[in-house]
Amino acid sequence: KQEVTQIPAALSVPEGENLVLNCSFTDSAIYNLQWFRQDPGKGLTSLLLIQSSQREQTSGRLNASLDKSSGRSTLYIAASQPGDSATYLCAISNFGNEKLTFGTGTRLTIIP
Amino acid sequence: ETGVTQTPRHLVMGMTNKKSLKCEQHLGHNAMYWYKQSAKKPLELMFVYSLEERVENNSVPSRFSPECPNSSHLFLHLHTLQPEDSALYLCASSHVENSPLHFGNGTRLTVT
Repeated sequence: KQEVTQIPAALSVPEGENLVLNCSFTDSAIYNLQWFRQDPGKGLTSLLLIQSSQREQTSGRLNASLDKSSGRSTLYIAASQPGDSATYLCAISNFGNEKLTFGTGTRLTIIP
Repeated sequence: ETGVTQTPRHLVMGMTNKKSLKCEQHLGHNAMYWYKQSAKKPLELMFVYSLEERVENNSVPSRFSPECPNSSHLFLHLHTLQPEDSALYLCASSHVENSPLHFGNGTRLTVT
């Protein structure tokens, strides 16, 4: 059974700093890995999807990496802004989107 | 505008009531999902419909009953719920193939 862990549960960082969020998983036979953000009282917004054959994906100031051998993914946010404050969740698929396993998320606060 | 619309946004119901949650997507996706989000717990997959056929019923109690009349609409019928069913219920959609999930803003359900 896939288990997904995100540590720390909460993180506060001054504006402008670069930061890394971590996601670890127990079963390396993955189909894809997805990173989402969730704002309070809202649904999830897809940020990046890394397929099993890929090592990283980039979108603007965001870069996600995948290391299946170590069971880890990182989400790198460059030049953080107050608007980046949200909860960030990673989700692992072992067989298509029908079998996504979510972590409990990291609540990020960017301090102006 | 997320492309996935859920109604109502908030719902308070007694344990003997019957109510329905509605989800609609205008993204041309062919898979739809119901997730439950409780405080401090990972998102729990409840139901998956792929090409309008239910493909996943993740051991959900029978007091929750899904319905997918077409590829754009998804319902979750609720009856005789328990207080522990209070949570944020999220609908999502995607292409069946390897693609990111798109979520609605959820229905905040309170069972009294």
